[in-house]
Amino acid sequence: EVQLVESGGGLVLPGGSLRLSCAASGFTFSSYWMHWVRQVPGKGLVWLARISGDGSSSRYADSVRGRFSISRDNAKKTLYLQMNSLRVDDTAMYYCARDTWDFAMDVWGRGTTVAVSS
Amino acid sequence: QSALTQPASVSGSPGQSITITCTGTSSDVRDLKYVSWYQQHPEKAPKLIIFDVAKRPSGVSNRFSGSKSGTTASLTISGLQAEDEADYYCSSYTSSSTLVFGGGTKLTVL
Repeated sequence: EVQLVESGGGLVLPGGSLRLSCAASGFTFSSYWMHWVRQVPGKGLVWLARISGDGSSSRYADSVRGRFSISRDNAKKTLYLQMNSLRVDDTAMYYCARDTWDFAMDVWGRGTTVAVSS
Repeated sequence: QSALTQPASVSGSPGQSITITCTGTSSDVRDLKYVSWYQQHPEKAPKLIIFDVAKRPSGVSNRFSGSKSGTTASLTISGLQAEDEADYYCSSYTSSSTLVFGGGTKLTVL
């Protein structure tokens, strides 16, 4: 079964850091670009970042460029999102998703919740 | 990277057809073919229902269809069913090699 499972969310103080993980199974992980997307409860989806299959290329939304970093370990079949200088408005559900090669996202995890609060 | 523009809500009765629009710019929707649509039920992860403007993934009902004209993409749902009640989001690849979502549309089946 093709599956993505996020982990690493939690409560963090403003200015703090957190690393999210996304474990992939059921497909050849290294063959796919991957994305991170977040959603504030009751609000819309926001694209954050994507990374190529071999990890050599990445792109970021303006809102997180310089603070967040996407990476992957293909041997572990795991995608990461390193989040630094966290702000209250980074509080959201964070999803990882697989790219279809046509910049659509055909497999999604269930998400992991990040809360930034003092 | 401004969000694509979608109506906040649409509604329709069972059996009817509805259309949700998604308006972008020449840097995304108009000049690129990579428009996608997602369905999200409450407390669930999004589900891909349309990609490349008008293609359906395997297993998605043919009641869902997509199209594009100029800077506006559209999702049409025909033969509305109660299970179609959900939030719908469009997305487009951009000329900056990033992606952008629309603000989302809540579909109510009356």
